[in-house]
Amino acid sequence: ELKVEQNPLFLSMQEGKNYTIYCNYSTTSDRLYWYRQDPGKSLESLFVLLSNGAVKQEGRLMASLDTKARLSTLHITAAVHDLSATYFCAVDSHRGTYKYIFGTGTRLKVLA
Amino acid sequence: DVKVTQSSRYLVKRTGEKVFLECVQDMDHENMFWYRQDPGLGLRLIYFSYDVKMKEKGDIPEGYSVSREKKERFSLILESASTNQTSMYLCASIGRSSYNSPLHFGNGTRLTVT
Repeated sequence: ELKVEQNPLFLSMQEGKNYTIYCNYSTTSDRLYWYRQDPGKSLESLFVLLSNGAVKQEGRLMASLDTKARLSTLHITAAVHDLSATYFCAVDSHRGTYKYIFGTGTRLKVLA
Repeated sequence: DVKVTQSSRYLVKRTGEKVFLECVQDMDHENMFWYRQDPGLGLRLIYFSYDVKMKEKGDIPEGYSVSREKKERFSLILESASTNQTSMYLCASIGRSSYNSPLHFGNGTRLTVT
């Protein structure tokens, strides 16, 4: 059974600081997705990582995928208050089925 | 832009009631999904559908059923609502052979069962 674990679950950080959120998964997959969720809102896609070594960046967020280590990271550079949200990673558990398994989420709070 | 619309933003129902949650997408997507979201548990897949009249159980189907009579509409049914079904319910869709694309989510329905 595929399991997806994120850590930390909660993260409070000062503006201007850097931090990394980790997403570990338990079985082979070469596709991983990152989503953002603002309070009371739905999930918004951030990144789609499709192969080992994939790296994508958007503004202050950078995501990477290491399929051999079964690990993805979401790195935050020089955090700003607007990045406060919950971040989820998701893995395609059975290739071609779209049966995604989501992590528990990391709730990020950036303090001014 | 893909639009996934859930008919209700908030619902309050009584224990034992039959509850219908509706989801409509406007992009002719073959695949549709129902998730529930609970604090500390992330999103868990309840049911999904690959096409009209097709459905498959997800990880937590107990107490739920679904209906997909038309391609654009996927309904989640709580046959007899219970308090442990109080949750946020999210609908999502994606087209066939869209492995390089993310799921598109609706805005969610927050259901309270009293």
